[in-house]
Amino acid sequence: DVKVTQSSRYLVKRTGEKVFLECVQDMDHENMFWYRQDPGLGLRLIYFSYDVKMKEKGDIPEGYSVSREKKERFSLILESASTNQTSMYLCASSYLGTGYTEAFFGQGTRLTVV
Amino acid sequence: RKEVEQDPGPFNVPEGATVAFNCTYSNSASQSFFWYRQDCRKEPKLLMSVYSSGNEDGRFTAQLNRASQYISLLIRDSKLSDSATYLCVVNPGYSSASKIIFGSGTRLSIRP
Repeated sequence: DVKVTQSSRYLVKRTGEKVFLECVQDMDHENMFWYRQDPGLGLRLIYFSYDVKMKEKGDIPEGYSVSREKKERFSLILESASTNQTSMYLCASSYLGTGYTEAFFGQGTRLTVV
Repeated sequence: RKEVEQDPGPFNVPEGATVAFNCTYSNSASQSFFWYRQDCRKEPKLLMSVYSSGNEDGRFTAQLNRASQYISLLIRDSKLSDSATYLCVVNPGYSSASKIIFGSGTRLSIRP
């Protein structure tokens, strides 16, 4: 079974803190993605990576950065957390291939910034 | 206009009913299409791909209409366990590393 594991289910941080969200997958997938999910807005892509040290901006990268030093691990960093970054964060991974390959999601991290 | 639009619902139907959702997309060059299912407080999971010729998986039927730029999902003989949010997904490019786009989801609630 594919497993995508996010480091925390729930997180509460203060405004201005630096926040790290970690994601690890065990299926040797090339692609990894970070989304945030908000009511009425669905899943929005923040960043994705198709290889170690490679990253591409998604639709809403402002206020976020990412790190992919190892194939199995993709980290999302909030440099200075703000209340509008309170959201559900979902990590996903998939094989790299032509066409689409199924994305497998982690269980999500519900982040609250106070 | 959003790139992928879905009726948010909620659709509230009795057990055994047939229910259908549509999803429209704006990029006519989009390559592939999918339905994901997301249960309450859980992560999304792939339900089925959508092929040009239409495809069926048990009680679920997915259709693609390229001319009108929409995909549909039909659920027959609905069960209580079908209650979930259904996400429409569009892949605009050829590569799996394309920026796939998720709709905001349609909530379905099946009542006994």
